[in-house]
Amino acid sequence: EAGVAQSPRYKIIEKRQSVAFWCNPISGHATLYWYQQILGQGPKLLIQFQNNGVVDDSQLPKDRFSAERLKGVDSTLKIQPAKLEDSAVYLCASSLLGGRARNEQFFGPGTRLTVL
Amino acid sequence: AQTVTQSQPEMSVQEAETVTLSCTYDTSENNYYLFWYKQPPSRQMILVIRQEAYKQQNATENRFSVNFQKAAKSFSLKISDSQLGDTAMYFCAFMRGGATNKLIFGTGTLLAVQP
Repeated sequence: EAGVAQSPRYKIIEKRQSVAFWCNPISGHATLYWYQQILGQGPKLLIQFQNNGVVDDSQLPKDRFSAERLKGVDSTLKIQPAKLEDSAVYLCASSLLGGRARNEQFFGPGTRLTVL
Repeated sequence: AQTVTQSQPEMSVQEAETVTLSCTYDTSENNYYLFWYKQPPSRQMILVIRQEAYKQQNATENRFSVNFQKAAKSFSLKISDSQLGDTAMYFCAFMRGGATNKLIFGTGTLLAVQP
């Protein structure tokens, strides 16, 4: 079974530029998450989708971050404009919709963003 | 709000020895789940072990086991017969029961297994 795919793996941009990350979850996983992991910290949830609807985006800085999951499968996370403090690893995860298995999240390899 | 605290930024253990990583959490919820995730260097995060709060029995997965003390809000991870491949960052995480599956992570413990 293929895991969660993310691209690009690395991205370097200058502040005030825009950037987009892509995630393809495990086939059949209805729930998709984007986490931000700043160096030295644990991951922090930015947004959670269930199919193509948003379940939780309370910690998403909506003035500069946006995310979509148009067909309920893959997702993109965008930052516009980027700030220095956005330098982090952006992790995508997915899980099944129901039952005990919904509590297990499978993570992708992440995209390491450096903002100069 | 729930919080997760890992007070050991770094730990070291000799190969084949046993090591315990500490985690405490704060919540007023009664229905929740606790997890330990492993993040090897430059590799993706994987689930090590899970504990449901309503279960009194401590979870075990091969060489990994937990000591879940609900009243003390403590959730430590014991790794027996440590192997070089156990070298990684270990994160303790909390999930409230209910509609959302939001994971709240601690700051992690970097474990180095020495040959």
